[in-house]
Amino acid sequence: DAGITQSPRHKVTETGTPVTLRCHQTENHRYMYWYRQDPGHGLRLIHYSYGVKDTDKGEVSDGYSVSRSKTEDFLLTLESATSSQTSVYFCAISRDTFANTGELFFGEGSRLTVL
Amino acid sequence: KNQVEQSPQSLIILEGKNCTLQCNYTVSPFSNLRWYKQDTGRGPVSLTIMTFSENTKSNGRYTATLDADTKQSSLHITASQLSDSASYICVVTLPAGTALIFGKGTTLSVSS
Repeated sequence: DAGITQSPRHKVTETGTPVTLRCHQTENHRYMYWYRQDPGHGLRLIHYSYGVKDTDKGEVSDGYSVSRSKTEDFLLTLESATSSQTSVYFCAISRDTFANTGELFFGEGSRLTVL
Repeated sequence: KNQVEQSPQSLIILEGKNCTLQCNYTVSPFSNLRWYKQDTGRGPVSLTIMTFSENTKSNGRYTATLDADTKQSSLHITASQLSDSASYICVVTLPAGTALIFGKGTTLSVSS
């Protein structure tokens, strides 16, 4: 298994509170991603990073921010959580870009419930 | 609009039986097409990858096929096992690797 650790694995929080999810990798892969998975939807890209301090938005980035200060860590922050952000969040890493058949390796997921 | 549609949404089969999952896509051409397996409570894991020019790719009891004319891919599972119970996700990479398009997945339940 790829060395990807997500924390926390489960979190219940209240509307309006800030939340930070952490992804830590030991594979030294350049690319890191945050996805959310909801019933009735495929995995949707929130943000991704192509290097330290290099990040970009995905298709559902509103309400989320990210930071990558070290190769191994990629943080996802919900500045003010809303009920619509209740979801399972997956971190993924890849050695190459999608164009180079870069396989995604996923973490175990973080289940977030916003009450 | 680039889309990946999977069918059926869910499927129940008996252990030892074969099954085929379908993936229809509108993206053409594409960089590659992958099938992922996602066990309950886990992250997806890649099973197979095919480029636009490939027709078939096997990984043990899993065989993926690709028909570029009909814009369909299939994942065939032979002699199913209880451990095959999972969600199977079809993912298409857009040309130049600009994005991935995920299907919603097919949930397979294998019963004894």
